Amino acid sequence: QSVLTQPPSASGTPGQRVTISCSGSSSNIGRNAVNWYQQLPGTGPKLLIYYNNQRPSGVPDRFSDSQSGTSASLAISGLQSEDEADYYCAAWDDSLSGWVFGGGTKLSVL
Amino acid sequence: QVQLQESGPGLVKPSETLSLTCTVSGGSISTYYWSWIRQSPGKGLEWIGYIYYSGSTSYNPSLKSRVTISVDTSKNQFSLKLSSVTAADTAVYYCARGVMVRGARFDYWGQGTLVTVSS
Repeated sequence: QSVLTQPPSASGTPGQRVTISCSGSSSNIGRNAVNWYQQLPGTGPKLLIYYNNQRPSGVPDRFSDSQSGTSASLAISGLQSEDEADYYCAAWDDSLSGWVFGGGTKLSVL
Repeated sequence: QVQLQESGPGLVKPSETLSLTCTVSGGSISTYYWSWIRQSPGKGLEWIGYIYYSGSTSYNPSLKSRVTISVDTSKNQFSLKLSSVTAADTAVYYCARGVMVRGARFDYWGQGTLVTVSS
């Protein structure tokens, strides 16, 4: 059972906008910025978004996030086939003094 | 470009100790929070623990009694030991660099190494 809660699956058609939610608590999302990771099939996770919509070099601005209270969401606009992957949210947890992850959301591009 | 590479045995017997090393290249191990994260087959990510370059550590409470993370700054390496392993510890183990400025995140990851616990 993951500390952060994500839907197990999401889907969309090319060009659509999809969102993936992430729910936590006051000790993690309620106090700290959420970050999002993309894991393509057979590869390790890659940082996608962190700290108020910051994107590492090379990540397109089709990816954005928002955060309010103890919840956050990742939005992908202009969905492309190469976006088909698992997406994980994560945050620092002040009670744990460490990181917590969501269970991951498998995104399918139909 | 910072690169991380995990190394260690791919097969460990039940009740024995799993040992992995992460070698950091393209940057210094000084500063940052060097973490181990694992992913059981078909499952999500689980943070195991981190070590700061100075040697201070923090572990996931669910694994704390069995985990030791150490650092060797002279070799730009950090290591994981997980004792008394069972089949439930079978997973892909990743090492990652943790950053705490402007949001806590993992900005570089190793490719991961599969460790199977089996007799």
